[in-house]
Amino acid sequence: NAGVMQNPRHLVRRRGQEARLRCSPVKGHSHVYWYRQLPEEGLKFMVYLQKENIIDESGMPKERFSAEFPKEGPSILRIQQVVRGDSAAYFCASSPKSSVRGGGETQYFGPGTRLLVL
Amino acid sequence: KQEVTQIPAALSVPEGENLVLNCSFTDSAIYNLQWFRQDPGKGLTSLLLIQSSQREQTSGRLNASLDKSSGRSTLYIAASQPGDSATYLCAVKGGSEKLVFGKGTKLTVNP
Repeated sequence: NAGVMQNPRHLVRRRGQEARLRCSPVKGHSHVYWYRQLPEEGLKFMVYLQKENIIDESGMPKERFSAEFPKEGPSILRIQQVVRGDSAAYFCASSPKSSVRGGGETQYFGPGTRLLVL
Repeated sequence: KQEVTQIPAALSVPEGENLVLNCSFTDSAIYNLQWFRQDPGKGLTSLLLIQSSQREQTSGRLNASLDKSSGRSTLYIAASQPGDSATYLCAVKGGSEKLVFGKGTKLTVNP
């Protein structure tokens, strides 16, 4: 059973270009989370999605960032008109179901995409 | 707003030593607490998950404790090995699905 897959692993963009980061969750997982890790910082939550729905985007910057998790295919984190401050590692995680009531479901993390904006 | 703090930020020990990593959180209303390991340039590996109703979890040489009322957790590593060198992250889950992470403790175990 393959784990969470992210591609590309490394992405270089010039200022003003678009960055598209892809995440394929663990097979059978319907919940996806995106986190960002800035240099020398901890991971920060960005967005939580279920199939075709954004559940919580409280950590997403208001402009230039968007995320989707379509019925078919991977989840996509899209950054338009990238700036140098977007340089970071972007991690995707998945879980099989909502864990709030049960408390117990762990999130399985992918290897991350390291974005460098020149 | 939940905040997670990890102390120390970095730790260097000789091989074979027992060590303790600390994690504190400001809001005790959590569902669970999780310890992760992160190797340079890699993703996160879950080490231990402690439910809010539990006091500790053990896996091999690792033992994690949770004192929810005081907002503290410790990760105990017994008989450390050079292969344990990594950054250890603590994360808590509250009333939403998001994990709130500390900045981590960078551990170096010297042969």
